[in-house]
Amino acid sequence: QKEVEQDPGPLSVPEGAIVSLNCTYSNSAFQYFMWYRQYSRKGPELLMYTYSSGNKEDGRFTAQVDKSSKYISLFIRDSQPSDSATYLCAMGGSGYSTLTFGKGTMLLVSP
Amino acid sequence: GAVVSQHPSWVICKSGTSVKIECRSLDFQATTMFWYRQFPKQSLMLMATSNEGSKATYEQGVEKDKFLINHASLTLSTLTVTSAHPEDSSFYICSAVSGGSSYEQYFGPGTRLTVT
Repeated sequence: QKEVEQDPGPLSVPEGAIVSLNCTYSNSAFQYFMWYRQYSRKGPELLMYTYSSGNKEDGRFTAQVDKSSKYISLFIRDSQPSDSATYLCAMGGSGYSTLTFGKGTMLLVSP
Repeated sequence: GAVVSQHPSWVICKSGTSVKIECRSLDFQATTMFWYRQFPKQSLMLMATSNEGSKATYEQGVEKDKFLINHASLTLSTLTVTSAHPEDSSFYICSAVSGGSSYEQYFGPGTRLTVT
């Protein structure tokens, strides 16, 4: 079982839709959870950074962490064509000096 | 804030030659930088952790003599691919840590290396 599982997609939605992106993980030591957005042939851009469980909101983006289920989500409200990118989840925790990344989900928002 | 640059953004080299990639933190000091490679439609694969003033820590399976890393200052780390081969063709991305948490990484735009 891989440490971090993420559906590669592609996930296609119309403009204005609410998007839900998810990752599951197996290592209970993970405490830090990140979401990155990566456009084609570009480096990842940090979107959200959450510690432990709970929700965090930033504009149209909401990150949720459910440590009991080992499940994290990123919600995008009022999705725009400019949101079309690959979204990577990443995690870290005590005893880990580096991040563990999911494979990324490709999101396509059509106008 | 937290801007990371990479140079060059794209390079083509002949098999057997060496290529140096620079990673710079532009508006902050980074005691730790990371080097990743990414194949098409794949996730990031950590190659090594670079700490300023000390030797890099390489991930299992990464040849340290082939991928030379130098973290000469708090704003600059370099990756040199020595004796490059076509299988080294990939997208190389660096990241730098801003602040106290090593998990809050900021990435450079990446360097696409093509070895012919």
